[in-house]
Amino acid sequence: DTGVSQNPRHKITKRGQNVTFRCDPISEHNRLYWYRQTLGQGPEFLTYFQNEAQLEKSRLLSDRFSAERPKGSFSTLEIQRTEQGDSAMYLCASSLVGGINEKLFFGSGTQLSVL
Amino acid sequence: AQKITQTQPGMFVQEKEAVTLDCTYDTSDQSYGLFWYKQPSSGEMIFLIYQGSYDEQNATEGRYSLNFQKARKSANLVISASQLGDSAMYFCAMREGTSGTYKYIFGTGTRLKVLA
Repeated sequence: DTGVSQNPRHKITKRGQNVTFRCDPISEHNRLYWYRQTLGQGPEFLTYFQNEAQLEKSRLLSDRFSAERPKGSFSTLEIQRTEQGDSAMYLCASSLVGGINEKLFFGSGTQLSVL
Repeated sequence: AQKITQTQPGMFVQEKEAVTLDCTYDTSDQSYGLFWYKQPSSGEMIFLIYQGSYDEQNATEGRYSLNFQKARKSANLVISASQLGDSAMYFCAMREGTSGTYKYIFGTGTRLKVLA
């Protein structure tokens, strides 16, 4: 049973560049979440998908951010025209919708540094 | 208002001793879930333990137990017989809503350092 996989693990970019991160959830999981975590803080919700449908986006997700899950499997998170304030750990999590025992399984995250 | 409050930014514990990490929560839902996750320096969030709001008994998973006091809205994590490998960030989280619309909210975490 493979867990949630995120690529790349680390990304360094210059301000103004575009970056894209990929998340491969656990294969049978139908829900996929993106969170952002800055130093000393807990994960903050960005957006989530059920299958290929993006059901909710946080106000943290500005117009420069876009997320897709085209076939209901892997997901990508793109940040356009990166800013230094975008520097953070981007965490992906997946879950299987199914009642009170539902819980999140996380990947190892992508650490973004914007210079 | 904070939905999940972890008031201890950092904690120290001696190896082999027990430690309690505090968590209080705020929700108007009757049905909700409470979780603890461990985040080592590698970054991955590791699920530790789950407590449902209707569970009458405190959850236990090996050396982890959750001290659930519903009236006080607290869900403290107890780690018994601490090990050096327990040094990490610990996050309390709450799941609220209904199946199909669940939201997960995290606290700011507690950094635990186990001393040899």
